[in-house]
Amino acid sequence: DAKTTQPPSMDCAEGRAANLPCNHSTISGNEYVYWYRQIHSQGPQYIIHGLKNNETNEMASLIITEDRKSSTLILPHATLRDTAVYYCIVRGGGKLIFGQGTELSVKP
Amino acid sequence: DTEVTQTPKHLVMGMTNKKSLKCEQHMGHRAMYWYKQKAKKPPELMFVYSYEKLSINESVPSRFSPECPNSSLLNLHLHALQPEDSALYLCASSPPGGPNYGYTFGSGTRLTVV
Repeated sequence: DAKTTQPPSMDCAEGRAANLPCNHSTISGNEYVYWYRQIHSQGPQYIIHGLKNNETNEMASLIITEDRKSSTLILPHATLRDTAVYYCIVRGGGKLIFGQGTELSVKP
Repeated sequence: DTEVTQTPKHLVMGMTNKKSLKCEQHMGHRAMYWYKQKAKKPPELMFVYSYEKLSINESVPSRFSPECPNSSLLNLHLHALQPEDSALYLCASSPPGGPNYGYTFGSGTRLTVV
């Protein structure tokens, strides 16, 4: 599975959109991009995933570049409860392997 | 039911004790997983079960012994652990097959080895 690179930390003002970037330049054609988040001391929570097209659900939007080498997770109106570590994972086979993630702090 | 339930939530055990962690799901998922997470680190995969058979062991020491008695239940038996094994142990499940299915995680068991 391809490796991902994320900034270690980001801040976002409450009510504003949070845009979390992820680089996955070695992604191959059959690998999906997954996003999970982990709020302190809880289990990881699935957010969204996609292969080629942009995706949206009730939690977030996922924008994947046309060459698929990078993606952005968008939380449209961040709240204090969105403070968490966000993991971008590229998955082609049976295993979900976590990288270091981005620690997002939403501030009032 | 869309949850993975882990028990106990907290466990303190001595280095000579034997204990077990339990994980249960009723979503019909046929793949189940154990992860270990140390403080300030990402979760690390330990074991993968597919259709009740162990398919992946990520070189985990034998003091950790997984068991999958049926399609809904996953256990992790612990024996002669070391203090450095103290961590959050996470269970997850997913439909088997390709990568187009996400994992559902439990809230974990916080283990302290004294």
